[in-house]
Amino acid sequence: EAGVAQSPRYKIIEKRQSVAFWCNPISGHATLYWYQQILGQGPKLLIQFQNNGVVDDSQLPKDRFSAERLKGVDSTLKIQPAKLEDSAVYLCASRGQGAGTEAFFGQGTRLTVV
Amino acid sequence: KQEVTQIPAALSVPEGENLVLNCSFTDSAIYNLQWFRQDPGKGLTSLLLIQSSQREQTSGRLNASLDKSSGRSTLYIAASQPGDSATYLCAGGKTGANNLFFGTGTRLTVIP
Repeated sequence: EAGVAQSPRYKIIEKRQSVAFWCNPISGHATLYWYQQILGQGPKLLIQFQNNGVVDDSQLPKDRFSAERLKGVDSTLKIQPAKLEDSAVYLCASRGQGAGTEAFFGQGTRLTVV
Repeated sequence: KQEVTQIPAALSVPEGENLVLNCSFTDSAIYNLQWFRQDPGKGLTSLLLIQSSQREQTSGRLNASLDKSSGRSTLYIAASQPGDSATYLCAGGKTGANNLFFGTGTRLTVIP
């Protein structure tokens, strides 16, 4: 079974530029999460999708971050414009339907804003 | 908002020791709880999943328990090995919401 795929693995941009990350969850997984992990900290939830609907985006900085999940499958996370403090690893995870299912993570995208 | 605390933040032990990592939630209405391992520069690898109807799970040298009444979980690692060196993260979510909130992590170093 293929895992969660993320691209790119690494990205370096200048502040005020825009950037987009892509995630392909495990086939059939209804729930998709985007997390931001700053060095030395635990992952912070940015947005949670159930199929193509948003369940929780309370910690998403909506003035600069946006996310969508196309047809309830792939998802993109965009930052525009980027700030220095956005430098972090962006992790995507997916989870199947039903009670108590296991969440699986992609390898993440390491973003450096200079 | 669910707050998750992990203690200790860092731990260094000699090879062969048994150890316990702790995780606590401010809201004890945990739907399920998952322990992950993260190696430097890598994504998260799932270790154990405890569903809300369960109290513990075991996999090899790892045992995780969940006390719902107190909102606490422990990860027990037996006979630690240098390959166990990594950051360990716990994550859980509330009943029905299927969300997943993470702790701050414990960085474990096992000294040969």
